[in-house]
Amino acid sequence: QSVLTQPPSVSGAPGQRVTISCTGSSSNVGAGYDVHWYQLLPGTAPKLLIYANTNRPSGVPDRFSGSKSGTSASLAITGLQAEDEADFYCQSYDSSLSAWVFGGGTKLTVL
Amino acid sequence: EVQLVESGGGLVQPGRSLRLSCAASGFTFDDYAMHWVRQVPGKGLEWVSGISWDSTYIDYADSVKGRFTISRDNAKSSLYLEMNSLRPEDTALYYCAKLHSATMIPDAFDMWGQGRMVTVSS
Repeated sequence: QSVLTQPPSVSGAPGQRVTISCTGSSSNVGAGYDVHWYQLLPGTAPKLLIYANTNRPSGVPDRFSGSKSGTSASLAITGLQAEDEADFYCQSYDSSLSAWVFGGGTKLTVL
Repeated sequence: EVQLVESGGGLVQPGRSLRLSCAASGFTFDDYAMHWVRQVPGKGLEWVSGISWDSTYIDYADSVKGRFTISRDNAKSSLYLEMNSLRPEDTALYYCAKLHSATMIPDAFDMWGQGRMVTVSS
């Protein structure tokens, strides 16, 4: 059972927009700790996609965006492309656990 | 090229020990805190341990506390994870990850290695 809750899967057709939610609690996201998002492709190193809720590292397309409100955060992907198919994880910090925590991951399928 | 390359790992019997190494290149290693994160096959990511730039602050997940030891050698730009009393539930792909900060503040992991598999089985 992950500390942060994500939907197991989402899907969309090429060109469409999808969102992935990440729900935490008052000891992590709701406590003001930032949420970060990662993309995992099989056989490759995980990639930081969004940091500090809304910021994109250099090289990440602006099709990817993040938001945060209260105890939840979201990752939005617009203009879906086949190469976006991957697993996505949210991450934050939990003050009760004194630990960096992750969501359970969401598998994105591009139909 | 900026990269993290893990080595070590493999198949080990329950109760035995194993050491993972992570070689960093392309950035000033001692400017950043470093962490280990693992992924059980078919499951999600789990934070394992972290160490500040100067090794003065170290933390562990409860699941490995007392069994795993993290360390670093800034002169060699290397990170290590000594794993003792290994259990079958420690079987996972272990990633070396660079924190976006020098200290152990809650921050993002902005660079990852490709991971090294550790299998604990008799």
